Amino acid sequence: SQKIEQNSEALNIQEGKTATLTCNYTNYSPAYLQWYRQDPGRGPVFLLLIRENEKEKRKERLKVTFDTTLKQSLFHITASQPADSATYLCALDIASNTGKLIFGQGTTLQVKP
Amino acid sequence: ETGVTQSPTHLIKTRGQQVTLRCSSQSGHNTVSWYQQALGQGPQFIFQYYREEENGRGNFPPRFSGLQFPNYSSELNVNALELDDSALYLCASSSDGRRVADTQYFGPGTRLTVL
Repeated sequence: SQKIEQNSEALNIQEGKTATLTCNYTNYSPAYLQWYRQDPGRGPVFLLLIRENEKEKRKERLKVTFDTTLKQSLFHITASQPADSATYLCALDIASNTGKLIFGQGTTLQVKP
Repeated sequence: ETGVTQSPTHLIKTRGQQVTLRCSSQSGHNTVSWYQQALGQGPQFIFQYYREEENGRGNFPPRFSGLQFPNYSSELNVNALELDDSALYLCASSSDGRRVADTQYFGPGTRLTVL
């Protein structure tokens, strides 16, 4: 079955540094991959989507890469701020024409001032 | 434009009972998906409704059922509650569930505790 793995351990970095989060998947070839942010007690908030034919996508301080050969996506936050502290989830589509998603377990990022 | 809303915010039930959770989709959206999120885990897809019809289902037993209404709001019903059903239940709406890469907008969730 499809499996998505994200760093299970929390990532602690200093303010101003670049945070890099990893998402690996197996047994699937997704048409696209999404990244979400989730704060405690809240629903996930959509951040970025990258398609299988795109290598990289940027939005302000966020950058996502998608390597379909390695079956891996990297999510970068540059010039990180304490307000970026949250859990970040990656998600793949289950079926190519339905938008149904399977999520990784999430990686918690803590940015220290 | 109003966002996705869910009710209630918290709920406590006992094993064997039944529960109904509600979701109002974002204005202009015709698709609602439901997810279950256990503590420390990512959301797990339960099912999706597109224009009042079920449009796919995850690996959940039949005691998890749903409805979508003509105004595209939705309900999730769970019968014969088990302790493992304790979780955050998330509803997400999107503008067209049959379109590839349709962005989903999540509500705040309903925290269900089964004792």
